[in-house]
Amino acid sequence: GAVVSQHPSRVICKSGTSVKIECRSLDFQATTMFWYRQFPKQSLMLMATSNEGSKATYEQGVEKDKFLINHASLTLSTLTVTSAHPEDSSFYICSARDQQGDINEKLFFGSGTQLSVL
Amino acid sequence: QKEVEQDPGPLSVPEGAIVSLNCTYSNSAFQYFMWYRQYSRKGPELLMYTYSSGNKEDGRFTAQVDKSSKYISLFIRDSQPSDSATYLCAMSSTGANSKLTFGKGITLSVRP
Repeated sequence: GAVVSQHPSRVICKSGTSVKIECRSLDFQATTMFWYRQFPKQSLMLMATSNEGSKATYEQGVEKDKFLINHASLTLSTLTVTSAHPEDSSFYICSARDQQGDINEKLFFGSGTQLSVL
Repeated sequence: QKEVEQDPGPLSVPEGAIVSLNCTYSNSAFQYFMWYRQYSRKGPELLMYTYSSGNKEDGRFTAQVDKSSKYISLFIRDSQPSDSATYLCAMSSTGANSKLTFGKGITLSVRP
């Protein structure tokens, strides 16, 4: 199956610093990528939809100036958590949609990034 | 009422048992129904994918969708310890810009 690579898998940072998370589709082109946040024992909450070459669409309640999304190519999207605070600590997951396939069946997830802000 | 409700669990069964996982939903626009399996601190992987109502079988897994009742199920036959994971249902409407709405997930433990 298609592979989505997400890095880093785990990051610990000090409060006030910025953290960048990368999401790459390794063997397909993805015009659309999604960023989710997941708290322990909770569901995946969609944060934003990232479209190659255009601005991301953020879900209600998600601060676009805090969670910067860049989707500069068909295989790479990045999420930058700016001025991180302890409440930003969470598991962040990206997914990428293969533009050649069915919109849902061809949606692949990265392995997630555990962010811990001290 | 949340758009997607999933039995909270956790669920513990002996090896070989039949497992039934369920979700209900309120949005009648949902047409695509999926089950994902997620191991601890990993991304979800697609297990089953169905469109509209009906059944779909894949090995030990069977997915059922009843749109009239807004109810979906995943059955796991002859459960194995390797099936121990969190199972999330997810749904979406049609359209290129459709987004997935997930249930909370249920953690399944299969005891050897």
